[in-house]
Amino acid sequence: GQQVMQIPQYQHVQEGEDFTTYCNSSTTLSNIQWYKQRPGGHPVFLIQLVKSGEVKKQKRLTFQFGEAKKNSSLHITATQTTDVGTYFCSHGGSQGNLIFGKGTKLSVKP
Amino acid sequence: DTGVSQDPRHKITKRGQNVTFRCDPISEHNRLYWYRQTLGQGPEFLTYFQNEAQLEKSRLLSDRFSAERPKGSFSTLEIQRTEQGDSAMYLCASRATGRTDTQYFGPGTRLTVL
Repeated sequence: GQQVMQIPQYQHVQEGEDFTTYCNSSTTLSNIQWYKQRPGGHPVFLIQLVKSGEVKKQKRLTFQFGEAKKNSSLHITATQTTDVGTYFCSHGGSQGNLIFGKGTKLSVKP
Repeated sequence: DTGVSQDPRHKITKRGQNVTFRCDPISEHNRLYWYRQTLGQGPEFLTYFQNEAQLEKSRLLSDRFSAERPKGSFSTLEIQRTEQGDSAMYLCASRATGRTDTQYFGPGTRLTVL
């Protein structure tokens, strides 16, 4: 399966600033999942996007799936120290396994 | 807590030794996946089971690796003759059959090979 590319690799923000990470694929994806992994922890499921142009919100987090279903973004408004971690996008492989990007590591300075 | 448990959480072993990890998935999930994650990378797929059948293995899974899910419930991953390059976090995830690709991960087993 095609790996997805995530940018940026690292992002350092001041608490209260916004943060966005992008996930790009060269091929059309059937769906996108976003996971968050805290330092020393395991990936925790955040959301799945399936429809073209889909936008979903979870409190300060906004997830988008592009119209062509080749890219996605995760935006966090007014970051908090609890947002620290690595955010991964993933998509389904041919066997139902997940293919992950390399993640965006977010650090938040209080 | 996602309901997926893994044991042990940490394992330190010497090169050449065998190690075995266990995963207990969410009880109603019939699909179980093993992944490996190294520092700075996303999880990489190793193998998966549907019920007790092992349906797919990644080329990352060398001959020294073997996985079982004998009764379609818990699964074990064994690594024989460990090498330093095997040091990683081994993650187990489970998923229900259906249209969603959502998988729920356990806390992982961190393996250090000295």
